[in-house]
Amino acid sequence: QSVLTQPPSVSAAPGQKVTIPCSGSSSNIGSNYVSWYQQLPGTAPKLLIYENNKRPSGTPGRFSGSKSGTSATLGITGLQTGDEADYYCATWDHNVSAGLFGGGTKVTVL
Amino acid sequence: EVRLVESGGGLVQPGGSLTLSCETSEFTLSNYWMSWVRQAPGKGLEWVAHIRQDGNEQHYVDSVKGRFTISRDNAKNSLYLQMNSLRAEDTAVYYCASACSGPSCTKLQSDYWGQGTLVTVSS
Repeated sequence: QSVLTQPPSVSAAPGQKVTIPCSGSSSNIGSNYVSWYQQLPGTAPKLLIYENNKRPSGTPGRFSGSKSGTSATLGITGLQTGDEADYYCATWDHNVSAGLFGGGTKVTVL
Repeated sequence: EVRLVESGGGLVQPGGSLTLSCETSEFTLSNYWMSWVRQAPGKGLEWVAHIRQDGNEQHYVDSVKGRFTISRDNAKNSLYLQMNSLRAEDTAVYYCASACSGPSCTKLQSDYWGQGTLVTVSS
């Protein structure tokens, strides 16, 4: 069980919006930047959001990130079938001096 | 396009050893902290270790401390993971990934990833 908690799955119809929460603690999310990764089936992860809410070039504006206290959230608007993937939050934990990934959330487009 | 290429995976018996390598020719490894991340079959991502640009600082997840060693050779633009005393639970695809570009690394921001190499620990 991961220290960063994500729901196992979320789903919505095409064009709709989904949000994926990531809950941590003061030693990880509460004091460090959060990144989000998208992993399409059979491929390596891809950086989607960094430093809580910044998008690398190539990440569509439909994806957004936010952080408040010890929780972070990934939002996807205008859901597309190509967005079906696993999504992971990630951050550093200064108590254990180690990186952390959330357990991952599978997004299904109905 | 930046490519990181891992190699060295394979089948190994419990208690055995394996060394993974990660090479690139399109990316200046020496500018970045570098990390290893693994993914057990059907499971999520797990951060394993990272190493500073000069190789003089490393951090590990508790489950591999004392068994795994991350190292690098900037002259060869290469990253390594020496794995000893392997266990069944180490079975996973191992990815190398870029990490931070500054003097410290307290964020998991990996812009570049390899395709992964599979390590199977089984008798």
